[in-house]
Amino acid sequence: DMKVTQMPRYLIKRMGENVLLECGQDMSHETMYWYRQDPGLGLQLIYISYDVDSNSEGDIPKGYRVSRKKREHFSLILDSAKTNQTSVYFCASSLGQNTEVFFGKGTRLTVV
Amino acid sequence: QQQVRQSPQSLTVWEGETAILNCSYENSAFDYFPWYQQFPGEGPALLISILSVSNKKEDGRFTIFFNKREKKLSLHIADSQPGDSATYFCAAGPGGSNAKLTFGKGTKLSVKS
Repeated sequence: DMKVTQMPRYLIKRMGENVLLECGQDMSHETMYWYRQDPGLGLQLIYISYDVDSNSEGDIPKGYRVSRKKREHFSLILDSAKTNQTSVYFCASSLGQNTEVFFGKGTRLTVV
Repeated sequence: QQQVRQSPQSLTVWEGETAILNCSYENSAFDYFPWYQQFPGEGPALLISILSVSNKKEDGRFTIFFNKREKKLSLHIADSQPGDSATYFCAAGPGGSNAKLTFGKGTKLSVKS
């Protein structure tokens, strides 16, 4: 069963704490993505990874960094979380850049 | 500057009717247009997509109509069912690629029975 798995599904952090969001996929997809979704704003691309250690900024990378040391895992890190980073974060993957993108179920992050 | 716009923001139709969701874009470099369907608590899932070389794409009850000159497209959902109730996102990307998709804000569809 092809899927993108995100952990945790829900997370509450205090402002200034570090946050680690993890994502895994079992489809051997080369390309992985991190998006955030805010009410009424659609999805915004934070980072894209074309393969291990081959990452590129998306539209809103400020305040985030990523790590991809294995093809099947892609992590999103927030160093010193801010309240405006409260959002739902989606990880996604695709075999290449011209194939269907599969999304995970999301992580709802609240920064208080 | 929002490059992909969707309307209406929300739409209610009766079961069996055709729902029409609209999308427009500004960037002439966009040539790949996927539509995603999202249910509450789930991630978006690809529903249907079209490349700018085509003006129509059908998949069962779902049809995309595309007008390159006017930079507009629409998703028609025929014979709407309550199970179609979801939020639909129009997205656009350059070079036939998923790599740099720009998403619209979505249309929330409710189908009443």
